[in-house]
Amino acid sequence: KAGVTQTPRYLIKTRGQQVTLSCSPISGHRSVSWYQQTPGQGLQFLFEYFSETQRNKGNFPGRFSGRQFSNSRSEMNVSTLELGDSALYLCASSLARSSGNTIYFGEGSWLTVV
Amino acid sequence: GENVEQHPSTLSVQEGDSAVIKCTYSDSASNYFPWYKQELGKGPQLIIDIRSNVGEKKDQRIAVTLNKTAKHFSLHITETQPEDSAVYFCAASIGAGGGADGLTFGKGTHLIIQP
Repeated sequence: KAGVTQTPRYLIKTRGQQVTLSCSPISGHRSVSWYQQTPGQGLQFLFEYFSETQRNKGNFPGRFSGRQFSNSRSEMNVSTLELGDSALYLCASSLARSSGNTIYFGEGSWLTVV
Repeated sequence: GENVEQHPSTLSVQEGDSAVIKCTYSDSASNYFPWYKQELGKGPQLIIDIRSNVGEKKDQRIAVTLNKTAKHFSLHITETQPEDSAVYFCAASIGAGGGADGLTFGKGTHLIIQP
């Protein structure tokens, strides 16, 4: 059974640009969550999508957005990139709503903003 | 919102010895507590989880205990092996129907297994 797949694995962007990251959840999983991991702040919740609707949102600015498609695949977008957005972005999936359910993570997308 | 404290930040043990990592949480509504292992360059891998209706759970060399009254939970690894070296994260979340913050993670423990 394939795990959570994230693309691209590595990317470098320039300040002010925008970036789109993609996530394919485990087959049959309907909830997709996104997390940001940095050395200073650790793992922080960005948002959760379930049935193509954003269900929860963490404390991040509006430059961070996402969406989920009918096949449960998800994308997240960061606009007007800042140096502080450099991080590992992790996608996670679960069968049902993420709260209280087992959550599996992908390998992440390493974003460097220069 | 929920706050999770994790200790220690670094733990060095001799191969074959036991390792214990402790976490405390602040929100008494939290009822799901997973532990993840993250190796360098990889995403977090779920190693064990516990729900608040259970006090202890074991899986081979790994066990987790939960004290709801004190709001703390611990990861125990026995007979440690070199491949156990990694960063371990505890997390907490409120069960289905609640929780606006997804999983709230501790800051992580870097476990080093000395040969």
